Amino acid sequence: NAGVTQTPKFRILKIGQSMTLQCTQDMNHNYMYWYRQDPGMGLKLIYYSVGAGITDKGEVPNGYNVSRSTTEDFPLRLELAAPSQTSVYFCASSSNGLAGEQYFGPGTRLTVT
Amino acid sequence: AQSVAQPEDQVNVAEGNPLTVKCTYSVSGNPYLFWYVQYPNRGLQFLLKYITGDNLVKGSYGFEAEFNKSQTSFHLKKPSALVSDSALYFCAVRSWGGGTASKLTFGTGTRLQVTL
Repeated sequence: NAGVTQTPKFRILKIGQSMTLQCTQDMNHNYMYWYRQDPGMGLKLIYYSVGAGITDKGEVPNGYNVSRSTTEDFPLRLELAAPSQTSVYFCASSSNGLAGEQYFGPGTRLTVT
Repeated sequence: AQSVAQPEDQVNVAEGNPLTVKCTYSVSGNPYLFWYVQYPNRGLQFLLKYITGDNLVKGSYGFEAEFNKSQTSFHLKKPSALVSDSALYFCAVRSWGGGTASKLTFGTGTRLQVTL
């Protein structure tokens, strides 16, 4: 049981490039989330999903896109990378939407230069 | 809109002493409150949560938290700190509205430093 896995661990992008951050969970959780963590700012919700085929915007969705074709996978797409997207990105999942604790992946550290 | 405040950027405590990490919240309706811990270069780990019931909630690694509705606080406590407790601690509140997903609003985090 690996929990929540994320790839890659680190990535450096040039301005304007695109990439996909991968997230997979093996706990059969319906709910999945993408956050970004900036120093001194806590975590901000980018997108979330309540099940396969259903996604919705969080607090800071601009510049990102997601898809949820399976229960296990929830990739995050950056289309035109900007320096403001330099951050650490965390994927999380939970079984209970209302009160369930979230299980986090190890994170992807992204630098855009 | 809901919000969480962690008024201390850092808390320093000697090993063996009790520790408190403070959290206050603002939310309409009943609060669902959480504490998470983050060790260096790791994702967040769930510690404990308050949904309803007893105001004193016990969690992992000997941590507990006290829910105080009149003071809108949810402080994290431990009777005897360990050096291995040194980490970044986040308080979070469930955001209401928009369906069943547990969208969390996080505080900015408090760094706990436990020294010998």
